[in-house]
Amino acid sequence: DTEVTQTPKHLVMGMTNKKSLKCEQHMGHRAMYWYKQKAKKPPELMFVYSYEKLSINESVPSRFSPECPNSSLLNLHLHALQPEDSALYLCASSQVPGWEKLFFGSGTQLSVL
Amino acid sequence: AQSVTQLDSQVPVFEEAPVELRCNYSSSVSVYLFWYVQYPNQGLQLLLKYLSGSTLVKGINGFEAEFNKSQTSFHLRKPSVHISDTAEYFCAVRVNSGYALNFGKGTSLLVTP
Repeated sequence: DTEVTQTPKHLVMGMTNKKSLKCEQHMGHRAMYWYKQKAKKPPELMFVYSYEKLSINESVPSRFSPECPNSSLLNLHLHALQPEDSALYLCASSQVPGWEKLFFGSGTQLSVL
Repeated sequence: AQSVTQLDSQVPVFEEAPVELRCNYSSSVSVYLFWYVQYPNQGLQLLLKYLSGSTLVKGINGFEAEFNKSQTSFHLRKPSVHISDTAEYFCAVRVNSGYALNFGKGTSLLVTP
């Protein structure tokens, strides 16, 4: 199994909603990442989890709250988002932190109304 | 800080023609360089990587890239493209001690019959 699975694939939410994005991998990888990608732009790093601990937060607003319940799962909790937060949210994993190959999921396309 | 510049935002090419997608990097320290491909509505997939050693790197789907330290370049090439190569291509860089990838702005390759 060499896949990173993200759910849901699409999400529409209002600015007062609370929702969560989920990411799962069963490759035994110990580093997991959240990236944000706006249309026609490159992915931008948001968070890095290393051995289930948050190791990098790229100054992301607190309305985004990551969680790593175990080594296979990564969540991104969303609350009080703004329309400008609409984007493709990509999860990735690597064998260990800093390993050269990232495996990406297909992403969750988020629209904030 | 390390960064990459992709000089072309769009590259149109006819099927079976050769193609080169350009990438230049800036860093004062040793770097790892990557090319990722993103098909529509998909996550990113690693095409190839340069870590050290031979400057000519071969990747998947018939792509190759050459690391040129004197010109700080890492251009991607394919001798004969297919319609299915139509996608967004991202060059990325990571310093040896870093966790995250810094992506270029991407080059949209459009292959037409």
